[in-house]
Amino acid sequence: AQSVTQPDIHITVSEGASLELRCNYSYGATPYLFWYVQSPGQGLQLLLKYFSGDTLVQGIKGFEAEFKRSQSSFNLRKPSVHWSDAAEYFCAVARDDKIIFGKGTRLHILP
Amino acid sequence: NAGVTQTPKFQVLKTGQSMTLQCAQDMNHEYMSWYRQDPGMGLRLIHYSVGAGITDQGEVPNGYNVSRSTTEDFPLRLLSAAPSQTSVYFCASSYSSGEETQYFGPGTRLLVL
Repeated sequence: AQSVTQPDIHITVSEGASLELRCNYSYGATPYLFWYVQSPGQGLQLLLKYFSGDTLVQGIKGFEAEFKRSQSSFNLRKPSVHWSDAAEYFCAVARDDKIIFGKGTRLHILP
Repeated sequence: NAGVTQTPKFQVLKTGQSMTLQCAQDMNHEYMSWYRQDPGMGLRLIHYSVGAGITDQGEVPNGYNVSRSTTEDFPLRLLSAAPSQTSVYFCASSYSSGEETQYFGPGTRLLVL
């Protein structure tokens, strides 16, 4: 069965430190891959997406993600986090009009 | 453009009551979908539609009905609410398919007593 795994439920980093959020998927074929962010009490907003081509994709707010087919991974990175990055982050995969979300990683920022 | 709008923002129901969660978009998107978000579970797809008159089931469709009579609207109906349906519900839309960027509404928080 198709699945998306975000192994870290919570991550805490200091402001200015680098960040990597992990995402692994299980799918028969390479799906479309997304990262969304959800601020408290809000809906979700797209950070970036991968369909094909260059495996390193750039998104909004200084985020990037790298698709690694051999590892079935699509990890999200940011070189220097800001206090405003505190939120919940969701990895998602889509294929045949159905979307599966991971359970999310909540990011906490230390001042 | 208002984007994706949802009403109501918050609702309390008693077990067995029925209600309809409204979702509308003004972006002329063909694809619309409903999710529920529960703590520690992420978002789970309830139903989706690829165009007016076409709907299909997602991951957790039981207890929910949908119809799509217009491109703009995609209501979600709970025929007999149960406490297990206490959740935050999000509607989303995209230009034509589930493989595209989804635009989310602000959510409806539902409490079933």
